[in-house]
Amino acid sequence: EAGVTQSPTHLIKTRGQQATLRCSPISGHTSVYWYQQALGLGLQFLLWYDEGEERNRGNFPPRFSGRQFPNYSSELNVNALELEDSALYLCATVPWRGLREQYFGPGTRLTVT
Amino acid sequence: QKEVEQDPGPLSVPEGAIVSLNCTYSNSAFQYFMWYRQYSRKGPELLMYTYSSGNKEDGRFTAQVDKSSKYISLFIRDSQPSDSATYLCAITYGGSQGNLIFGKGTKLSVKP
Repeated sequence: EAGVTQSPTHLIKTRGQQATLRCSPISGHTSVYWYQQALGLGLQFLLWYDEGEERNRGNFPPRFSGRQFPNYSSELNVNALELEDSALYLCATVPWRGLREQYFGPGTRLTVT
Repeated sequence: QKEVEQDPGPLSVPEGAIVSLNCTYSNSAFQYFMWYRQYSRKGPELLMYTYSSGNKEDGRFTAQVDKSSKYISLFIRDSQPSDSATYLCAITYGGSQGNLIFGKGTKLSVKP
C-alpha cells in the first residue's frame, strides 16, 4: 500500500512570492493535517482538513491557507512568503476523523531567499 | 509553561544499551500519547500509540504513560545503530479534533 506522498520534494522561492505544496493521502484516508517543522521550533500544527472542509487552524497567519479536494488530496498555499517560512512542511493523514494515529509523508522542504 | 517538554539531547549510547526517552506535559486533558521516529530529512514514522496509563510493548520498544505525573516514556532495549534518529513525543486531546502537539524531539545516536 502506498504511503502518504508529497510534492514537490524541494521548493525554492523568493520573499514575497507564493508557494503551493501538495499532499496525497493513503488510500482510504479522508483527513489531512499540515504541520510546519522549522529549525529549532519543532513540529507545529498548521491546518486540518476533513471531508473537504477546514476544521481547525493552528497559530499561523491567514496567508497560510489550503484546501482539500474531492479525492481527499490537499494543497497548502503560502502567500507573501517571508524568510522565516523556510521549513519542512509535512502532511499527515488518518483514515477518518476521530482516529489519533497520524501517518506522515516525507515532507516538502521550502526555502525562501 | 509549554504544553509538552522534551529534552533535546543529544543522547549517545553504545550498541546494546537500554535507552530511555521522556516527555512531560502540562494539561491533564490530554488523552492520547504517541512516539514518532524521524530520520534525517524524512517524515516522522509512528512507533507507538497509547491511550491509558501503563505500559505498551512492541518488540524492543516499550511506551509508558503515567497520567498522574503527566509523564510519558519510551524505552528501547538492545539499541541498534539503525535506531539512531530523532524521537518525538506527541500528545492530543480527546474529542473530534486530532491535531498533535509535539515535543521538540530527542536526537539519539547509537554507536557500534
